[in-house]
Amino acid sequence: DTGVSQDPRHKITKRGQNVTFRCDPISEHNRLYWYRQTLGQGPEFLTYFQNEAQLEKSRLLSDRFSAERPKGSFSTLEIQRTEQGDSAMYLCASSLGDSEAFFGQGTRLTVV
Amino acid sequence: KQEVTQIPAALSVPEGENLVLNCSFTDSAIYNLQWFRQDPGKGLTSLLLIQSSQREQTSGRLNASLDKSSGRSTLYIAASQPGDSATYLCAVNRVGNYGGSQGNLIFGKGTKLSVKP
Repeated sequence: DTGVSQDPRHKITKRGQNVTFRCDPISEHNRLYWYRQTLGQGPEFLTYFQNEAQLEKSRLLSDRFSAERPKGSFSTLEIQRTEQGDSAMYLCASSLGDSEAFFGQGTRLTVV
Repeated sequence: KQEVTQIPAALSVPEGENLVLNCSFTDSAIYNLQWFRQDPGKGLTSLLLIQSSQREQTSGRLNASLDKSSGRSTLYIAASQPGDSATYLCAVNRVGNYGGSQGNLIFGKGTKLSVKP
């Protein structure tokens, strides 16, 4: 499968715990994006990387959120001290420059 | 600030009908516009990408148009089928400071389509 891959697909965690998600983009894509989607809403932008450089971060990305793309390939999104309001679908996408963005299947986070 | 609106929020049609989904955006300085399909609990599947210089794009039974000056795009689905039932999302990519794209997509809330057999 050469599409965008996200792991895990589902995560249930207790409030206050840390969680980490992984995204593997399409191999030749230099841009990687993270979005968050809650029920009934469109995805909201969190952050994006061009190669290993994090170029933009949304104000939605509080201090508890951190994203990395250390070698310009896969990326991780970590949420520290999770809160119930963090429950959402976390979507990763990749693109080759300004071209069409392709999304993964998402990681559904439930904070209990 | 760019805002994207999709009307209607939900649409139910009988199988075989042709239908139009609407998307409007407030800032005409867009780099491109992309239509996606999302099945319940799943990720997004890209349907069509229209560059700002283009007026329309076609893929099979789908046709997307773009009118930048009026801030509108439409997605036309011909001969709808039950398998077309999904949420359809429109997203715009703004022009960045150096002429390329801003990078991040701004989404509407989607139109939930139901095609009845």
